[in-house]
Amino acid sequence: AQTVTQSQPEMSVQEAETVTLSCTYDTSESDYYLFWYKQPPSRQMILVIRQEAYKQQNATENRFSVNFQKAAKSFSLKISDSQLGDAAMYFCALYNFNKFYFGSGTKLNVKP
Amino acid sequence: IAGITQAPTSQILAAGRRMTLRCTQDMRHNAMYWYRQDLGLGLRLIHYSNTAGTTGKGEVPDGYSVSRANTDDFPLTLASAVPSQTSVYFCASSSGETSTDTQYFGPGTRLTVL
Repeated sequence: AQTVTQSQPEMSVQEAETVTLSCTYDTSESDYYLFWYKQPPSRQMILVIRQEAYKQQNATENRFSVNFQKAAKSFSLKISDSQLGDAAMYFCALYNFNKFYFGSGTKLNVKP
Repeated sequence: IAGITQAPTSQILAAGRRMTLRCTQDMRHNAMYWYRQDLGLGLRLIHYSNTAGTTGKGEVPDGYSVSRANTDDFPLTLASAVPSQTSVYFCASSSGETSTDTQYFGPGTRLTVL
């Protein structure tokens, strides 16, 4: 079975500061991808970053980076220099065999 | 290019009524998916289709049916709606060319069953 767990229902960060969102997962497969999606109040699901399981190097996209610990099955998202526009729900997802498995989400508040 | 469109944007439906949520993509993606999103539960896969003419069951398929007559369209039907089907429904697609594709999501349909 594939499961994704986000243990932080809600977090807050001061504008311009750094915040890390946690995600753990469980899978018996060796080949999979991990994703972070952002869902702002507009409800649109927006891809933030993706990580190939076979790559040891952590993915980075501008202010967004991940800490991928394959042995620990951990996939955290770090947002640097937080902006008001980063406020949203963030979902961690595991993908293999043409199916996505999503965590329950973390609501990120950004304080000005 | 619109990407993925869903209709209606929102709907209030009486219990026992039949309802079809529409999803269309113009990216010529092979794979399409339907999810429901409920507070505290994230997104859960209802049904999927790896290519036109094929469909498969996801995590929560009961009470829903799908069809995939062509590449672009993937309607989701609730034959007899129940209040527990009140949710936000997302359609998604991916190229399906590899086993590790990025999914692109539609804007969602908010369905309320009374």
